[in-house]
Amino acid sequence: GQQLNQSPQSMFIQEGEDVSMNCTSSSIFNTWLWYKQEPGEGPVLLIALYKAGELTSNGRLTAQFGITRKDSFLNISASIPSDVGIYFCAGQLRQGAQKLVFGQGTRLTINP
Amino acid sequence: AAGVIQSPRHLIKEKRETATLKCYPIPRHDTVYWYQQGPGQDPQFLISFYEKMQSDKGSIPDRFSAQQFSDYHSELNMSSLELGDSALYFCASSFRDRWGTQYFGPGTRLLVL
Repeated sequence: GQQLNQSPQSMFIQEGEDVSMNCTSSSIFNTWLWYKQEPGEGPVLLIALYKAGELTSNGRLTAQFGITRKDSFLNISASIPSDVGIYFCAGQLRQGAQKLVFGQGTRLTINP
Repeated sequence: AAGVIQSPRHLIKEKRETATLKCYPIPRHDTVYWYQQGPGQDPQFLISFYEKMQSDKGSIPDRFSAQQFSDYHSELNMSSLELGDSALYFCASSFRDRWGTQYFGPGTRLLVL
């Protein structure tokens, strides 16, 4: 069953606004990742987080690995039209585990 | 930079037919993963291989099988196709010491009629 709860499920914002989305779980994760997927394409890795408390940036994107290792957030600053897509959080449950568990995704729509 | 390559990108099959999907990992990556994504769903893990051995298994139907070859490419074989098998199939790859950091290919869209 679903082990990651991602919210919000969808966002409608104006160009230039900041965006925030998060994932929570009752389970402890060893690694958190954030992906962006556009229609008909594969998920593109945006940020990978490996340590509790880790805060990592990639351009206008910032993500953090929660201290409890049960949550993560992704922020996008000053959104632009090409940020449109579905953002997924994903986690590796334990060291040595291979499968990634995905959140339900956040669909981002931007009004120019 | 080189990415994961999948072929074919699109595939149309009839019920009860077979299909073979191919995946070529990023150069020097030694682990490959297969995921299935239904419409409006998140990707679901099917199976993974490290050094040509099956290393983890998810919700893969018995009608599906996969293998990894000596050049690290992988093939997903799907038999007795059902309408419900229509989905996007993604391959991902990683280094062994970074199993949690997986890079996805563009996917194969399978339509079963």
